[in-house]
Amino acid sequence: GEDVEQSLFLSVREGDSSVINCTYTDSSSTYLYWYKQEPGAGLQLLTYIFSNMDMKQDQRLTVLLNKKDKHLSLRIADTQTGDSAIYFCAGTGGTGRRALTFGSGTRLQVQP
Amino acid sequence: EAEVAQSPRYKITEKSQAVAFWCDPISGHATLYWYRQILGQGPELLVQFQDESVVDDSQLPKDRFSAERLKGVDSTLKIQPAELGDSAMYLCASSLAPGEAGTKETQYFGPGTRLLVL
Repeated sequence: GEDVEQSLFLSVREGDSSVINCTYTDSSSTYLYWYKQEPGAGLQLLTYIFSNMDMKQDQRLTVLLNKKDKHLSLRIADTQTGDSAIYFCAGTGGTGRRALTFGSGTRLQVQP
Repeated sequence: EAEVAQSPRYKITEKSQAVAFWCDPISGHATLYWYRQILGQGPELLVQFQDESVVDDSQLPKDRFSAERLKGVDSTLKIQPAELGDSAMYLCASSLAPGEAGTKETQYFGPGTRLLVL
């Protein structure tokens, strides 16, 4: 099945850009997703990218997809303290499977 | 904006007791998922419903867990008896439709139920 890997922790200063990386093993996902989770809360859908795209920009968020290397990244421009949270990448992976397989999450800490 | 509702938000129980969680998906969403998230990890699927039918429960510990979606709308997840290792966040998600290439499969999550088993 799908295996999704993420780095555990990222610390940036307010106003800087943040880049969160993700690698995956199964290339059959139609879409790849980024979710944000604040402490004690559910998952908030941030953005997604269709598998035949290389890049998607949505306000401060830029998603890059390298299908050859099975690498996905999320760039947050002008990072704010409110962006501090855990970020999960996820894909469906697997023929006919529509449930999401998540990475272990990257904790983003934004220092003022 | 429509949201997935879950209750209770928090539940403390003793081991060997029964617990139940409720989920009401976004109106019109045919597919409903229950995920379990252990502290420090990403969510993992427990069960997936398409309308009232279970389409994937391969990761559901069926000796103690059960799930139903009788009328194809809201759903209940039950654990009986609860064990210490069941302490986790239980997340419900819904999507318009599965198996279709398109944003109809995008999953929206509820706030979760945090379970603590003592």
